[in-house]
Parts: sequence; C-alpha cells; structure tokens
Amino acid sequence: ETGVTQTPRHLVMGMTNKKSLKCEQHLGHNAMYWYKQSAKKPLELMFVYSLEERVENNSVPSRFSPECPNSSHLFLHLHTLQPEDSALYLCASSQDRLAGWGSTDTQYFGPGTRLTVL
Amino acid sequence: AQKVTQAQTEISVVEKEDVTLDCVYETRDTTYYLFWYKQPPSGELVFLIRRNSFDEQNEISGRYSWNFQKSTSSFNFTITASQVVDSAVYFCALSEGGGANSKLTFGKGITLSVRP
Repeated sequence: ETGVTQTPRHLVMGMTNKKSLKCEQHLGHNAMYWYKQSAKKPLELMFVYSLEERVENNSVPSRFSPECPNSSHLFLHLHTLQPEDSALYLCASSQDRLAGWGSTDTQYFGPGTRLTVL
Repeated sequence: AQKVTQAQTEISVVEKEDVTLDCVYETRDTTYYLFWYKQPPSGELVFLIRRNSFDEQNEISGRYSWNFQKSTSSFNFTITASQVVDSAVYFCALSEGGGANSKLTFGKGITLSVRP
C-alpha cells in the first residue's frame, strides 16, 4: 500500500467512550501531523511529530492524546469527547526534519476519519 | 503572521467552461512556499502544486495552470475546460521559510461544482 492511510474511515462514539484513530505513512517521511477539519472552518493543526518526537501541541484539549511509536505510525487517542469535537480528522506526513513547527516540504494527506460524537 | 484568503466560497460552472480560483496571501518572510490542494467528496486532500517565493514562473500541468504574482501577493489557479470530476473543495496554503514557527496555513477553501 502506498501513501498515507487512516483507519477507521468513520467512527461514531459516545462522550464516555475511549477510541483511537490510526495513521500510517508508506512514504519514508520524517514528520507526521494531525489536523482537525470542522464544517465552515479552516484546517486546524493539532499536533506535529518529527522523528517520533512531539514537536508541538497547538493548545489541544487533553481529551486528545497523540502517540507516535515510530516514524511510520501515528495515533490519536480519544476519551470523554464532546459533541463539538465531531469533525474530519486528517493525518499528513512530510519529509521535513523539524526543530519546531517548521514545515516547508509538501505534506501528503490521508483520507481522514469522519468522527461523530453523540 | 501569515494568512491566506480565498474570497470565493462557492463557484458553479458548466462542464467545459474555464474557471479561476483566487488566492491572496500575506507574509512578512521573503522565503515562503505556496500550495494548492484538492479535496474531493471522499475527504482526502490531494496535493496539486508547491511553489517557492523565488520562482514566479507560471506553471501548466494539463488542464491546470497557476499564476503566481508577488506584486499582488496572489497565487491563482485556473482549470481549463472543466470536467465533472473537478468538482471538489480547493485549498490554497502558505508555509513560511522554515524555522521554529513556520507552519502550513490554509485558506478556507473554495467549493467548485461542475455541472454536466
């Protein structure tokens, strides 16, 4: 398989559930990202990992917990979410080796996970 | 701070028409990168083009062309002879030239509908 893959594609969960989103990149990239895309809003950068280290957390609530066990895999663990967290969650990767946020290489995106919180 | 403005929110055209999607950006850096992405109904953002601030040559790729003008801080995207498969949301994005605080900033997107 090539590119960036995400599972599941669709997820419905209650506010008390715990679930995880998975992202895998097959591009040999060094950096991975989580974005949130809500209706009528620009894409919001949530987390950035470079060489498996979290580079920055963009003031994301603690009910979202990222994990990057290796340079090819990225997870987003979800617990006690709110209905306003319903959105499309997109994963991306790039060649960048990042000291901070800094990303100038092209980011390649996965198909996203459509999350609905009831 | 960097900013991307896509003033058009929705555009509807009939197949075979040409359509231009506008993008205006703001940055204080002299080195920066501009991108266009396509998001079809399936959700995935598909990379279309990356240009750096030192290369103002216009680019053509099949039915797609891009017009980069630093004087007006614009990076417009034209689809020639549009097709139904071009229906999607199109995002323009800007990344400043590296360093600790650079990140990819997206515009709000333009929804393009191409009718048969």
